[in-house]
Amino acid sequence: DIQMTQSPSTLSASVGDRVTLTCRASQNIGNFLNWYQQKPGKAPKLLIYAASNLQSGVPSRFSGSGSGTDFTVTISSLQPEDFAVYYCQQSYSSPGTFGQGTKVDVK
Amino acid sequence: QAHLEESGPGLVKPTETLSLNCAVSGVSINWNTYYWGWIRQSPGKGLEWLGTIYSGGSTSYNPSLKSRVSISVDTPKNHFSLKLSPVTAADTAVYYCVRHSGHFGDTYNWFGPWGQGTLITVSS
Repeated sequence: DIQMTQSPSTLSASVGDRVTLTCRASQNIGNFLNWYQQKPGKAPKLLIYAASNLQSGVPSRFSGSGSGTDFTVTISSLQPEDFAVYYCQQSYSSPGTFGQGTKVDVK
Repeated sequence: QAHLEESGPGLVKPTETLSLNCAVSGVSINWNTYYWGWIRQSPGKGLEWLGTIYSGGSTSYNPSLKSRVSISVDTPKNHFSLKLSPVTAADTAVYYCVRHSGHFGDTYNWFGPWGQGTLITVSS
């Protein structure tokens, strides 16, 4: 299975900050990388697919980049509703695997 | 826009069979570009894809579950189901049903939308 590693595990930030989260794959996955956001007690929600494509309805302050083994998601100006856990997921090969998540919390 | 909602027993005894249903509304489950899957989330293992059923009824499962898992579709009821047997305490998790937009390796494939999730506890 392809292993997905996210860093950091927790990121403390303030409203208005620019934040960048990182995901690394254990092998080359091209751009087959999705990002999800999960809030407490809720299901994950798709944010970005194929590394850099914003899902419909997702604010433009979110952006994704990367290819091969290294990927990032950036929030250009953190908003109160963005405090959540973010997961990456490789869609290159079965079984699709997820990272362990990065929690963005209040500094 | 598809809406998914899981239903299940909440508590299952070890060695028994876990059965979950996912009701789909807003779209026909039989639409040939829609695929349907199950994902679970536990503190120990995080998010884990369990399997997907594709149009025509073919299935793909996570090898980690070996032969314990099966997914089926009930077209007249517009829902799909998961069976996992036999269960152990390690199967305690929140189970989500999801739309899977394509096969792994397709240019665009992702999970979404998701149901709200249902907590399943395996205990005697």
